[in-house]
Amino acid sequence: GNSVTQMEGPVTLSEEAFLTINCTYTATGYPSLFWYVQYPGEGLQLLLKATKADDKGSNKGFEATYRKETTSFHLEKGSVQVSDSAVYFCALSDQGGSEKLVFGKGTKLTVNP
Amino acid sequence: DAGVTQSPTHLIKTRGQQVTLRCSPKSGHDTVSWYQQALGQGPQFIFQYYEEEERQRGNFPDRFSGHQFPNYSSELNVNALLLGDSALYLCASSLGQGAHTIYFGEGSWLTVV
Repeated sequence: GNSVTQMEGPVTLSEEAFLTINCTYTATGYPSLFWYVQYPGEGLQLLLKATKADDKGSNKGFEATYRKETTSFHLEKGSVQVSDSAVYFCALSDQGGSEKLVFGKGTKLTVNP
Repeated sequence: DAGVTQSPTHLIKTRGQQVTLRCSPKSGHDTVSWYQQALGQGPQFIFQYYEEEERQRGNFPDRFSGHQFPNYSSELNVNALLLGDSALYLCASSLGQGAHTIYFGEGSWLTVV
């Protein structure tokens, strides 16, 4: 079945450092790919998405490119802020947009001032 | 515009009891999905409701059941609670089948003692 593998955390960075969180997936067909963020005590918020190969999703300085050849969707940000501290989840949805999301285990990011 | 709202936010139940969690989708959304998020894990898909019918189901036992009402709100019922059912239960809503933008509520924290 479909699955998502994320780099294990926790990740601790200083403010203004470069962030990469790796995500690879296994899926049949052409899934849509997502990054969700979960701030402490809150639900999930969609951070960005890409629905086809070579698409780049971006939002709030975060970017991720749908790489079909490497089955990857790595999350990057050039300069993190303390307010970016959260848990980040990579997810995919089945081909056809069935909306059943398959999530990775999450990567906790802590940004220190 | 209210987003996805869930109730209750926190509850404690005893093993063997039954629990009902409630969800109101974002205004205009007609599809509701439920996810279970154990501590330190990514959310796991339980089931999805559309047009008052269960459309998809994840790998959860029959103790987990649900319902969708004509106003699109939904309930998740769990019978014969086990300690392992302790988790954050997330409701997600979207418009129609095949939508790529899914909104999550803040969840209901269930502790089984």
